[in-house]
This record gives sequence, structure tokens and C-alpha cells, in this order.
Amino acid sequence: AQSVSQHNHHVILSEAASLELGCNYSYGGTVNLFWYVQYPGQHLQLLLKYFSGDPLVKGIKGFEAEFIKSKFSFNLRKPSVQWSDTAEYFCAVNAAGRRALTFGSGTRLQVQP
Amino acid sequence: DVKVTQSSRYLVKRTGEKVFLECVQDMDHENMFWYRQDPGLGLRLIYFSYDVKMKEKGDIPEGYSVSREKKERFSLILESASTNQTSMYLCASSTDRDTEAFFGQGTRLTVV
Repeated sequence: AQSVSQHNHHVILSEAASLELGCNYSYGGTVNLFWYVQYPGQHLQLLLKYFSGDPLVKGIKGFEAEFIKSKFSFNLRKPSVQWSDTAEYFCAVNAAGRRALTFGSGTRLQVQP
Repeated sequence: DVKVTQSSRYLVKRTGEKVFLECVQDMDHENMFWYRQDPGLGLRLIYFSYDVKMKEKGDIPEGYSVSREKKERFSLILESASTNQTSMYLCASSTDRDTEAFFGQGTRLTVV
């Protein structure tokens, strides 16, 4: 069964600091990878996704993620965070051919002004 | 824009009640999903459906059932609500071509 690990449960940063959130998955075959964000009181929305091709994926709001197949990782990055990035971030995976996504436990990001 | 609409934002039910959570999507998506979201546990898949009247169990189906009589509507049923089913319930939909899931606003269910 596929699983997803997010190592950072709660991250506190000051504005303009750089962000990297870790995500590792356990599945040996072809995978599709996603990062979702949930702002306070809002529904989950997609930040970015990787299906194939360039392993460096750019998403909305200045976020990017890098797929490293040898490390089974898909870490999320942003060079300079803003207070408005305060939210919970979820990494998700699905094996090729599967319909449902498997989510990690989430990382709560708090950005202090 | 894809829209996934859940019928209630907040629900309070009593232990033992039968509870229905409704979800409608407007983009003709084949797949629909029910997840529950709990602090520190992320999202866990309860059930999903890939076609009308077709369903598959997810990772935590115990205590739940589902119904999909029409393509756009997917219902989650708690046969006899218990306090450990107090949670945020999220509905989502996707196509077979692109497994990106689109989510509703969620229903926060409290069982007392």
C-alpha cells in the first residue's frame, strides 16, 4: 500500500524566510504527486502537481517542488514566504492507474509578520 | 471552474442517529471521494465511487456506507453515529484523465 510521510508537523517562520517542506512516499512504481494547501476556513486547493517530465515543478503563488525519484521525495519550496502563506500544506500521491489520492498528515505553517 | 458543493458546513447529531452527508459536483467527473480530516492524521479515504452505483472501500470504511444514484451526487451515510465519528468530512471529485482532486468546503460533524 502506498503511504506518504510529511516530517514537519508545525513550522514557524518570519516573513521573507525561505521555506522547504519535506514529503516522502513509499511506492516503487510510477506515481503522480501533488501539493495541496488549506487556508484557514477554506477548502483544499491545488498548489502544484507532477505527472511526468521536468522534475522541477512550478505552482501558484511562487511555490515550486522537486521530484527526486531516487529519494522518493517531493519537497515543497518557496524562496520568500509571506504572512498570507499561513496555512496547512498537504502532500499527496497516487500510483499510476489508481483513482484515489493518499495524503500525508499535513504541515501547519505559521508565518509571523 | 469546478464546483464541489457539500450540503452542510456544520452538523450536530446525537449518538445512534443515522446521518446523511451530501455532495454534488458540476463538472461531469467520473470519480467522487469521501475523506475525513483529523488533526495530525491528514486526510483518510473512507469510500470512493468511479461510476454510478459503483463504489470501493477506502482505508477506513467501518461505520460508513455510500450511495451514488446519479453521476453528480455522492452521499456518505453514517448508519449509527458515534462520538468517534466527530470529524471534518471532505468530498472530492476527479476525472479519469487527470487524477487531480477538487474539494468541497467540508462538513464539520459533531456527534454528541
